[in-house]
Amino acid sequence: DTAVSQTPKYLVTQMGNDKSIKCEQNLGHDTMYWYKQDSKKFLKIMFSYNNKELIINETVPNRFSPKSPDKAHLNLHINSLELGDSAVYFCASSHGQGVAEEQYFGPGTRLTVT
Amino acid sequence: GENVEQHPSTLSVQEGDSAVIKCTYSDSASNYFPWYKQELGKRPQLIIDIRSNVGEKKDQRIAVTLNKTAKHFSLHITETQPEDSAVYFCAAPQGYKLSFGAGTTVTVRA
Repeated sequence: DTAVSQTPKYLVTQMGNDKSIKCEQNLGHDTMYWYKQDSKKFLKIMFSYNNKELIINETVPNRFSPKSPDKAHLNLHINSLELGDSAVYFCASSHGQGVAEEQYFGPGTRLTVT
Repeated sequence: GENVEQHPSTLSVQEGDSAVIKCTYSDSASNYFPWYKQELGKRPQLIIDIRSNVGEKKDQRIAVTLNKTAKHFSLHITETQPEDSAVYFCAAPQGYKLSFGAGTTVTVRA
């Protein structure tokens, strides 16, 4: 299946722990994104990479660190997890670097911090 | 997002009726306006988009209109069906990123 995939789908962890979410796309796209969707459904961009290069870095705590080993993968590592980090995290990809293109979203990772 | 305002936040319609969602944006340089649909527990998916060189675009039961002068655009769903129940997001470019509206939860009553 050609798609954007994420692992894990669900992640339950305690405050203070460190966790990672992985994302892979086999669409041949050049740009990948991380979005956070909070309990009110608000979708907010966190990071974007184009061909492994960071191009968007929103006002996100330093505890969040993205890593793109190649243009098909974009991982998100979160240190010292806090209650407020609980949300659904979506990975997405698009063909080019510009914003005027369809973004293909992954299935999401529901992170619950207790 | 702060760049895109979306109304209403919730919308309940009778099956067969029309639904209209409106968005306004602030960046006059914006030239691309997509609409995403997110069903419960699923990922957002693009349903229609419009570029600034046209004023209206239709795809079967959905249509989007754009008023660049007033900086607003709208999604119109006609003959609503139960499968149209979802959260709908408008979006507009804000510099090099896409800024999403806060979403509209549409419920189609049978």
